[in-house]
Amino acid sequence: AQSVTQLDSQVPVFEEAPVELRCNYSSSVSVYLFWYVQYPNQGLQLLLKYLSGSTLVESINGFEAEFNKSQTSFHLRKPSVHISDTAEYFCAVTRGTSYGKLTFGQGTILTVHP
Amino acid sequence: DTGVSQDPRHKITKRGQNVTFRCDPISEHNRLYWYRQTLGQGPEFLTYFQNEAQLEKSRLLSDRFSAERPKGSFSTLEIQRTEQGDSAMYLCASVSRVTDTQYFGPGTRLTVL
Repeated sequence: AQSVTQLDSQVPVFEEAPVELRCNYSSSVSVYLFWYVQYPNQGLQLLLKYLSGSTLVESINGFEAEFNKSQTSFHLRKPSVHISDTAEYFCAVTRGTSYGKLTFGQGTILTVHP
Repeated sequence: DTGVSQDPRHKITKRGQNVTFRCDPISEHNRLYWYRQTLGQGPEFLTYFQNEAQLEKSRLLSDRFSAERPKGSFSTLEIQRTEQGDSAMYLCASVSRVTDTQYFGPGTRLTVL
């Protein structure tokens, strides 16, 4: 079985500051990793994913995450945040051998202040 | 809008009543998942369909819960004899064969009084 721990339940930052949302996972098998974002009153949207290949993956809106197998981490970073990045972010994992159900972390609420 | 729709978006019911939710996935997606999300938590897996076959059920899915996906298209999730602990957001996701990405619907928020 897999598990995901998001180390921060809330992260407040000022606009244009850098941010890191931390995610650690536990699994006895290889995994695929995901970050989903949930804007207020909206559904979950895929932000980025790691399946294989380069351990650094990027989203279209400036977020990036790095898969670190030795530290079992998949932290999400952005060098400069905007007010519009305010949302809840979920890290998720699934077995890497056969894509299937997602196991989610508890979520991190990112609040960007002007 | 991901292309996955759920109906209703909100449901308020009294304890002991039955409720049914519907999920319409993206048409070419053969896999469909149901999750439940309670306040302050991430979504938790409930059940999974490949086409019309229900292939996996979580232990969270008690006997009061049943899900169907007739003809491998839309899916329904029914909760019988609702309890206050069933209050949650119920999410549906469909999966593309090509990208292996789960696309989530907006969810149905259930409140059991």
